[in-house]
Amino acid sequence: QVQLQESGPGLVKPSETLSLTCTVSGYSISSGYYWAWIRQPPGKGLEWIGSIYHSGITFYNPSLKSRVTLSVDTSKNQFSLRLTSVTAADTAVYYCAKRGAPTYFDYWGQGTLVAVSS
Amino acid sequence: SYVLTQPPSVSVAPGQTATITCGGNNIGSKSVHWYQQKPGQAPVLVVYNDNDRPSGIPEQFSASNSGNTATLTISRVEAGDEADYYCQVWDSTSDHYVFGTGTKVTVL
Repeated sequence: QVQLQESGPGLVKPSETLSLTCTVSGYSISSGYYWAWIRQPPGKGLEWIGSIYHSGITFYNPSLKSRVTLSVDTSKNQFSLRLTSVTAADTAVYYCAKRGAPTYFDYWGQGTLVAVSS
Repeated sequence: SYVLTQPPSVSVAPGQTATITCGGNNIGSKSVHWYQQKPGQAPVLVVYNDNDRPSGIPEQFSASNSGNTATLTISRVEAGDEADYYCQVWDSTSDHYVFGTGTKVTVL
């Protein structure tokens, strides 16, 4: 059974960088599939942030592309999110997820709330 | 960018059928996926590729997709089906995943 777990600071100051890591168990990232970050502001809907393949190929939501970087560490079976120049609008629950074939998300982490506040 | 529109809320009596729509331009040409999200929990995939159910998802969940509207149907609704439901597609034009606005299903 594939399991994903997000980790990282729960509070980030405005204009700083949000960094989160997703640790995958039950499946080797190196074996394939794309891995994604999705967020959900409090009381609002879901927004895809970006996806990464084990080789490092990435693609991002055009609305966030200028501020987002995804990376992968296959030795630790982890992938990570960096979001720069955050504002209060970036306050959200951040989920990591595995993309099934071909275009849906079949396994999700429990999510982690990140608040942007001074 | 591609937009998916869902009704904000749907109310249904226990044992009845809930119907949730997802509107998008020519959505019938895309594969639509549906997620259930209960309060404080991560979304769970309940339908993928228009009308396939992942292992463990009961037959009461079914879906269809044609023209400009995709539909999720929940038959014999129970209290445990009360949740937010989101549709989702891959937009090849802009190369990104799009989620619907979400529908809150309330069991009366």
